[in-house]
Amino acid sequence: EDKVVQSPLSLVVHEGDTVTLNCSYEVTNFRSLLWYKQEKKAPTFLFMLTSSGIEKKSGRLSSILDKKELSSILNITATQTGDSAIYLCAVLSTSGTYKYIFGTGTRLKVLA
Amino acid sequence: NAGVTQTPKFRILKIGQSMTLQCTQDMNHNYMYWYRQDPGMGLKLIYYSVGAGITDKGEVPNGYNVSRSTTEDFPLRLELAAPSQTSVYFCASRPTGLPHEGTQYFGPGTRLLVL
Repeated sequence: EDKVVQSPLSLVVHEGDTVTLNCSYEVTNFRSLLWYKQEKKAPTFLFMLTSSGIEKKSGRLSSILDKKELSSILNITATQTGDSAIYLCAVLSTSGTYKYIFGTGTRLKVLA
Repeated sequence: NAGVTQTPKFRILKIGQSMTLQCTQDMNHNYMYWYRQDPGMGLKLIYYSVGAGITDKGEVPNGYNVSRSTTEDFPLRLELAAPSQTSVYFCASRPTGLPHEGTQYFGPGTRLLVL
């Protein structure tokens, strides 16, 4: 059975700290790994990582895909209270037709 | 563009009742998805569609049905509601093609409570 596991489940840090969120997967026919940020409502897209694009960076956020270890990390440097959210990892599988398998998410709280 | 719209925003159902969650997108996307999100959990795929007339089951399809008669609409039907279906339901869509695979556009969600 395909699965995506995220750790830690929750994390509390202070502003200015650096955090690393983990995502590991066991998915047949891996195509890409995606990170989303979910605040109060629907998830919003952060990064997509593929075999040809294993590292992405946007401002204070960066992500790396390790295809050998079947995992990815999401780093957030100099955290701010606005980074408080649930961070979701998903893997796009091409088993059958394209579908996404989501992890349970990491709930990040950044204290002022 | 309105993007992805969902109705209703919130609904309380009694056990055994039925209802349809509506989802409409105006971006001409072929791919559409229904997810449910239980408290403290990630999203679980219920059903998805790769185009009008084509639907397929996701991880948790039991108790639900879908149809896709047009590109724009992808309604989710709950038959015989059960407390286990209490959740937040998200509809999403995306364009076809590799550059767009990550960019699912999500609707605002429907919060459903079954009592």
